[in-house]
Amino acid sequence: ETGVTQSPTHLIKTRGQQVTLRCSSQSGHNTVSWYQQALGQGPQFIFQYYREEENGRGNFPPRFSGLQFPNYSSELNVNALELDDSALYLCASSSPGRIRLAALPGTQYFGPGTRLTVL
Amino acid sequence: GDSVTQMEGPVTLSEEAFLTINCTYTATGYPSLFWYVQYPGEGLQLLLKATKADDKGSNKGFEATYRKETTSFHLEKGSVQVSDSAVYFCALSPSGNTGKLIFGQGTTLQVKP
Repeated sequence: ETGVTQSPTHLIKTRGQQVTLRCSSQSGHNTVSWYQQALGQGPQFIFQYYREEENGRGNFPPRFSGLQFPNYSSELNVNALELDDSALYLCASSSPGRIRLAALPGTQYFGPGTRLTVL
Repeated sequence: GDSVTQMEGPVTLSEEAFLTINCTYTATGYPSLFWYVQYPGEGLQLLLKATKADDKGSNKGFEATYRKETTSFHLEKGSVQVSDSAVYFCALSPSGNTGKLIFGQGTTLQVKP
């Protein structure tokens, strides 16, 4: 067990609605990344937060947004849900790293995920 | 851009058989390489990693060697068990620490008693 927790476990929404997913990082980790894993596929990087600021973003539209709080927990918000947003959403936290100095990345530890179904 | 390609599954083996799951990558510079495992209904667990050429990552009997000359990071285990049945993902973290992981599509392993 990694110590990374996510809530809720499962969620069902309808097209056009908005959703907020939550993640608590492992103790001592100040970096949180979010990934989308469609059924039968590998996870796709959405974005990363480091000390409350976005620190890199994948190829996802602006309706995917995030926050990181002073305690390093994080939220993923998705507006105007589409059917293709149905997926497992994974949060990963990493150990304090010298990210801004372009040193080796901290290993990412994943939570169990939130299964989002959009009807 | 950077990418990871894994052998297609599913891979079905008998218990105690030898396992190889192929992984090749395309990346500039010197990425870090990882294998993650996902058991049914669970999130990803880090299995092993290697951060520079010729490094060998190992854990729980699994091994993988970072081969820069062939841009590969194949996963091996000498004797698989039923409990190894899961989906295995090869991943890279681009050099320069962009803070993201790029995953392959995953390979399902089924081990039969």
